[in-house]
Amino acid sequence: NAGVMQNPRHLVRRRGQEARLRCSPMKGHSHVYWYRQLPEEGLKFMVYLQKENIIDESGMPKERFSAEFPKEGPSILRIQQVVRGDSAAYFCASSPDGESNQPQHFGDGTRLSIL
Amino acid sequence: EDQVTQSPEALRLQEGESSSLNCSYTVSGLRGLFWYRQDPGKGPEFLFTLYSAGEEKEKERLKATLTKKESFLHITAPKPEDSATYLCAAYNFNKFYFGSGTKLNVKP
Repeated sequence: NAGVMQNPRHLVRRRGQEARLRCSPMKGHSHVYWYRQLPEEGLKFMVYLQKENIIDESGMPKERFSAEFPKEGPSILRIQQVVRGDSAAYFCASSPDGESNQPQHFGDGTRLSIL
Repeated sequence: EDQVTQSPEALRLQEGESSSLNCSYTVSGLRGLFWYRQDPGKGPEFLFTLYSAGEEKEKERLKATLTKKESFLHITAPKPEDSATYLCAAYNFNKFYFGSGTKLNVKP
């Protein structure tokens, strides 16, 4: 069984560029979550999506950040005009169809570095 | 404010020395308490879900318990391969609230 796939694993961008992070959930999973993690810190919720819908984006900055989960293809977290403070590990998690309080399964993250 | 607090931040044990990790939560309408293990450079790996106070789950040397205010992860006779960061998360209304984790180091 393929787990949650995130790519790229490492991404380097210069200030002002755009970063696109991709996440393919596990088969049969329709709930996708994005988190941000700084070193030695816990996971901070950013956004919760289901197919073609944003359910909760309360943890995502209002500017420069956007997320989508189209009918076909992976979920995308997009960061425009990146700044140094965007450097972090970004994790995607998915959970099965049905009740949303089921365990999440995580990918291995994308480590974003801003030069 | 909904939040999760884990203690201690770091724990060093000798192999075979049992201990417990604490996860305190102030999350209204709790619909699940989750424990994860995270190794360096990896994503969190699911361990347990607890849904109601009094519930217990076990897996090998790990046992998770839940009360109305906190959860414990008990580690019995740990081995060096149990070294990792252990995260807990409380779930309500579409959102998972994660603690900052306990970094466990088990020395042989």
